[in-house]
Amino acid sequence: KAGVTQTPRYLIKTRGQQVTLSCSPISGHRSVSWYQQTPGQGLQFLFEYFSETQRNKGNFPGRFSGRQFSNSRSEMNVSTLELGDSALYLCASSLFTGPDVYGYTFGSGTRLTVV
Amino acid sequence: AQSVTQLDSHVSVSEGTPVLLRCNYSSSYSPSLFWYVQHPNKGLQLLLKYTSAATLVKGINGFEAEFKKSETSFHLTKPSAHMSDAAEYFCVVSDLRDTGNQFYFGTGTSLTVIP
Repeated sequence: KAGVTQTPRYLIKTRGQQVTLSCSPISGHRSVSWYQQTPGQGLQFLFEYFSETQRNKGNFPGRFSGRQFSNSRSEMNVSTLELGDSALYLCASSLFTGPDVYGYTFGSGTRLTVV
Repeated sequence: AQSVTQLDSHVSVSEGTPVLLRCNYSSSYSPSLFWYVQHPNKGLQLLLKYTSAATLVKGINGFEAEFKKSETSFHLTKPSAHMSDAAEYFCVVSDLRDTGNQFYFGTGTSLTVIP
């Protein structure tokens, strides 16, 4: 069965621009979470969506937003990009909310570079 | 509050020798604990998980981990290292009853396998 698909794999944007990242979860999975990975801060939780509702949000500014569609696909948007937003953005899906029971399946990530 | 401490940022072993990656956690409740592996330019792959069943957990690729509540540890081991084990390893804690549906990642341990 297909895994978690993230598009695009690589992005280069200029400071001040905005960007939208896409994530398609495993078929049947209803929970999608987003994480940011940087060398300095490691892996940090952005937010989780379940059944089109944001269930939990990490400690990121309002420039970071997301949404989930009825088919469980999710998008993440970052507005007014800053150099510090350069990171690997990972999407993870889970059958239900509560990955502590089921665990996550991660995508390969989108590498965002802000110049 | 929850947190994870991976005691070694880098571990080097010779091929065929045992692997030990150390992880200590802090959790107000009964946590779920995971180990994930990340190969270069890849997403994270679940190695194993502990969710209050047997304290010795067996995972994929010959890895196992033991949950020791008295020591608040969840160390990852493998009897014999293989070259393909070279990667970044993350210990993760989660508790749905604490702050919701998010993972807290350790800072990672980079495993080098010497031929």
